Amino acid sequence: DQQVKQNSPSLSVQEGRISILNCDYTNSMFDYFLWYKKYPAEGPTFLISISSIKDKNEDGRFTVFLNKSAKHLSLHIVPSQPGDSAVYFCAASISGSARQLTFGSGTQLTVLP
Amino acid sequence: DTAVSQTPKYLVTQMGNDKSIKCEQNLGHDTMYWYKQDSKKFLKIMFSYNNKELIINETVPNRFSPKSPDKAHLNLHINSLELGDSAVYFCASSQGPSNHGYTFGSGTRLTVV
Repeated sequence: DQQVKQNSPSLSVQEGRISILNCDYTNSMFDYFLWYKKYPAEGPTFLISISSIKDKNEDGRFTVFLNKSAKHLSLHIVPSQPGDSAVYFCAASISGSARQLTFGSGTQLTVLP
Repeated sequence: DTAVSQTPKYLVTQMGNDKSIKCEQNLGHDTMYWYKQDSKKFLKIMFSYNNKELIINETVPNRFSPKSPDKAHLNLHINSLELGDSAVYFCASSQGPSNHGYTFGSGTRLTVV
């Protein structure tokens, strides 16, 4: 019973174009969402987050959109760069739940030069 | 200065053995975690622990036990290793209601033969 789902295991994008990574969740109690980036042989590193009281959060080339009614969030990277090639994990948490994060299975993004 | 460090990075061992993975964080965080990344790439919470509370994911076999000698360390002990325990194990830490979620270690790849 996966509460956070990333249905696309991989995505390839041309350098300079937009990358859109998607994430769906089933638990309506989730009120905080995060994206992590992971390179091979390294641990995931925090990228960007959004609270459920917002529908958009932007940080440089990265923007996260949240659609609560659809229980869907997405990460936009524009313009995409070869260094963005990594696995991207979506994660969600419930306030007060010992800050435990529930992760999706990740999407491998490949940015082609 | 590694924020969350795990040792060893790789561990190959035989079935039935008992092994430990060490984790240390120098961030002054109050909560530490162990996650398991299985063959399907999901990151699943095993334990979360601070100086007040240990929360155990009910699906974790009791052969796995966390041990915390102090706030900066959370080691993972595994008894009677089984083939299905082969995975990458990530330690992480967090402090308060951080908008950045967790800081992860680089992972320990455990292979049981």
